[in-house]
Amino acid sequence: SQQGEEDPQALSIQEGENATMNCSYKTSINNLQWYRQNSGRGLVHLILIRSNEREKHSGRLRVTLDTSKKSSSLLITASRAADTASYFCATVTGTASKLTFGTGTRLQVTL
Amino acid sequence: DAMVIQNPRYQVTQFGKPVTLSCSQTLNHNVMYWYQQKSSQAPKLLFHYYDKDFNNEADTPDNFQSRRPNTSFCFLDIRSPGLGDAAMYLCATSSPGQAEYEQYFGPGTRLTVT
Repeated sequence: SQQGEEDPQALSIQEGENATMNCSYKTSINNLQWYRQNSGRGLVHLILIRSNEREKHSGRLRVTLDTSKKSSSLLITASRAADTASYFCATVTGTASKLTFGTGTRLQVTL
Repeated sequence: DAMVIQNPRYQVTQFGKPVTLSCSQTLNHNVMYWYQQKSSQAPKLLFHYYDKDFNNEADTPDNFQSRRPNTSFCFLDIRSPGLGDAAMYLCATSSPGQAEYEQYFGPGTRLTVT
């Protein structure tokens, strides 16, 4: 399977703390994307990082990519209760027009 | 607002009774995808259309079929639903010219099989 692995599977933190999720994948990629999914809803694109990029920021999100280790991390700073969701990494490889999703991290942010 | 719409949001069908889920988009994207997502799992790609070119995943059961009559609409047909087909079905779109296959998802249809 090409599916990536994410860890931790579940993460519980308090509001205001930072949350870090990690993603590993198996093959060379064109880009890696992170998505959020609120319970029972569709996925929402958060951020994309290309294979020649090492770090990217968007608001409270910071993504890093290490192609030598085939891994990425998503950092959410100053978390809020509204950040409670599942987070998935997904990779695009070669000329494929499809994503390969990781296993996901369930984030719970408590007040 | 441009978006991906799925109808219905909730669908109940009987074991073995054919069911069709629908997806429409106002984004004018070339590519449309159907995913199956079971509880606490990652979305699993069933198939996708690149324009009219149909691409089936190797492990998608024959029980699942799809139609794309035009750019805006795509349908998922489950010919004989089994209890194991109960899941959330997600439709998504993308365009190669836009952010390298960033995908836009609909809200999903939750299918219950009784």
